[in-house]
Amino acid sequence: EVQLVESGGDLVQPGGSLRLSCAASGFTFSSYAMHWVRQAPGKGLEYVSGIGSDGGSTYYANSVKGRFTISRDNSKKTLYLQMGSLKPEDMAVYYCARLLWWPTGLDIWGQGTMVTVSS
Amino acid sequence: QSALTQPASVSGSPGQSITISCTGTSSDVGGYDYVSWYQQHPGKAPKLMIYEVSNRPSGVPDRFSGSKSGNTASLTISGLQAEDEADYYCSSYTDSSTRVFGGGTKLTVL
Repeated sequence: EVQLVESGGDLVQPGGSLRLSCAASGFTFSSYAMHWVRQAPGKGLEYVSGIGSDGGSTYYANSVKGRFTISRDNSKKTLYLQMGSLKPEDMAVYYCARLLWWPTGLDIWGQGTMVTVSS
Repeated sequence: QSALTQPASVSGSPGQSITISCTGTSSDVGGYDYVSWYQQHPGKAPKLMIYEVSNRPSGVPDRFSGSKSGNTASLTISGLQAEDEADYYCSSYTDSSTRVFGGGTKLTVL
């Protein structure tokens, strides 16, 4: 079964850091670009970041550029999002998603992991 | 990277057709045929319904169709069914090689 499972969401204070992980299974992880998308409580979807299949290209929304770093370990079939200088507005469910092919739609999504930023 | 513009809500009766619009700019919707649509039920992850403006992934009913004209893309659902009630989001590839989403449209099946 093709599956993505996120983990690492937690309660963190403003200014703090957190690393999210997304474990892939059921497909050749190293062949696909991957992305992070977030959704604040009661709000819409917001693009966060993306990475090419070999990790050589990375992309960020302006709202997280310079604070978040996306990476991947193809040997572990895992995608990461290192989040720093967290702000209350970063509080959201974070989804990882597989890109069908470049640069089209996101065809497989995880169940999401909740990041809460609060003192 | 301003969000694409969608109506906040639409509604229709079972069996009817509805259309959801998604308006962007020449830097996203108008500049590329890489518009996708997602369905999201409450508490669930989004599901890809349309990619590259008008293509359906396998398993998506042909009641769902997409189109684009200029800077505006559209999702049409014909033969509305109760299970179609959900939030719908459009998304487009952008000039900066990122993606932008619309604000979302809540579909109510009356």
